[in-house]
Amino acid sequence: KAGVTQTPRYLIKTRGQQVTLSCSPISGHRSVSWYQQTPGQGLQFLFEYFSETQRNKGNFPGRFSGRQFSNSRSEMNVSTLELGDSALYLCASSPEVGGAAAGNTIYFGEGSWLTVV
Amino acid sequence: EDQVTQSPEALRLQEGESSSLNCSYTVSGLRGLFWYRQDPGKGPEFLFTLYSAGEEKEKERLKATLTKKESFLHITAPKPEDSATYLCAVGYGNNRLAFGKGNQVVVIP
Repeated sequence: KAGVTQTPRYLIKTRGQQVTLSCSPISGHRSVSWYQQTPGQGLQFLFEYFSETQRNKGNFPGRFSGRQFSNSRSEMNVSTLELGDSALYLCASSPEVGGAAAGNTIYFGEGSWLTVV
Repeated sequence: EDQVTQSPEALRLQEGESSSLNCSYTVSGLRGLFWYRQDPGKGPEFLFTLYSAGEEKEKERLKATLTKKESFLHITAPKPEDSATYLCAVGYGNNRLAFGKGNQVVVIP
């Protein structure tokens, strides 16, 4: 069974640009959640989608947004990039709504490394 | 105030030297406590989910336990391939999620 797939794996963007990251969940998983990981802040929850609806949201500015498609694939977008947005962005999937916040085991992808210069 | 605190931050072990990692949490309404292993440059790999005090789970050289305010990840007779960062996370309350900063473990042959 294929795991969570994230693309691209590595990318470099310039301050002020925008970026879109993609995530394909494990087959049959309908919940997709996104996280930002940095050396200073560790892992932080961005948002969770289930059945194309955002179900939960972390404490991030509106420049961070996401969506989910009918096949459960998800994308996240960061607009007006800042240097501080450089991070590993992780996607995770789960069969049940609510993801880890609701006590469901989530499975992570390998992440997308974003560098903002 | 951190809701999830992992200690020690870093640990160096000799191969075969058993030890324990601690994850303490101050949240209420625990929905689940999760342990993951993360290798450099990779995404976290799921290890265990624990739901209630007294619960224990084992996998190879790893054993996770849970009390009302903390969880331990015991590593028995570790091997160099057990070197990784171990992450703890808790789901709690009204769909909230908090992560610890991780325990960085190095096992020396």
